[in-house]
Amino acid sequence: GQNIDQPTEMTATEGAIVQINCTYQTSGFNGLFWYQQHAGEAPTFLSYNVLDGLEEKGRFSSFLSRSKGYSYLLLKELQMKDSASYLCAVRGSRDDKIIFGKGTRLHILP
Amino acid sequence: DGGITQSPKYLFRKEGQNVTLSCEQNLNHDAMYWYRQDPGQGLRLIYYSQIVNDFQKGDIAEGYSVSREKKESFPLTVTSAQKNPTAFYLCASSSPGQGRNQPQHFGDGTRLSIL
Repeated sequence: GQNIDQPTEMTATEGAIVQINCTYQTSGFNGLFWYQQHAGEAPTFLSYNVLDGLEEKGRFSSFLSRSKGYSYLLLKELQMKDSASYLCAVRGSRDDKIIFGKGTRLHILP
Repeated sequence: DGGITQSPKYLFRKEGQNVTLSCEQNLNHDAMYWYRQDPGQGLRLIYYSQIVNDFQKGDIAEGYSVSREKKESFPLTVTSAQKNPTAFYLCASSSPGQGRNQPQHFGDGTRLSIL
């Protein structure tokens, strides 16, 4: 079967750093995406990993370990506008099927 | 500007009625997707299509139908067989031929409710 797990909710303080984990078990692997979604809006793309290691993009970084079926999204210098849901998604290797996790709701405290 | 257009933004369905959600893209993307999102939940895949005149079931296809007669269009019909259709529906497209790192582009969604 296919399964993507993320924590349901997390809370962090403005200016701090937070790490959101994602573990996956899928039929084949051809890349992992992280999206941000504000309530009532469409998801917006944050990052993509297909090889092991860290990808950095400004305040956001994403890490992948294919052997462990594990990824994390790291958000630095948290701002109030970062309060949102963060979705982990995996693309299978044989087709273009993309499966999402249930998302992690991140609350930022002043 | 290129993008994905979903319509309508809000839709109401009566008991026993079929309704169709529109999704149009002008990004020249080959692959298109339909997802359902319930409150506080992630996205669940309903159907996806890699090329014109071809589509595959996702994880929750029962009670839904799609067609892909044109590259630009991927309408979703919510049939009367879908007993709990109230949700936020998102359409997406991507172009894997331009590289597997290409993310999905999403429409603004359609919110469907039962009358």
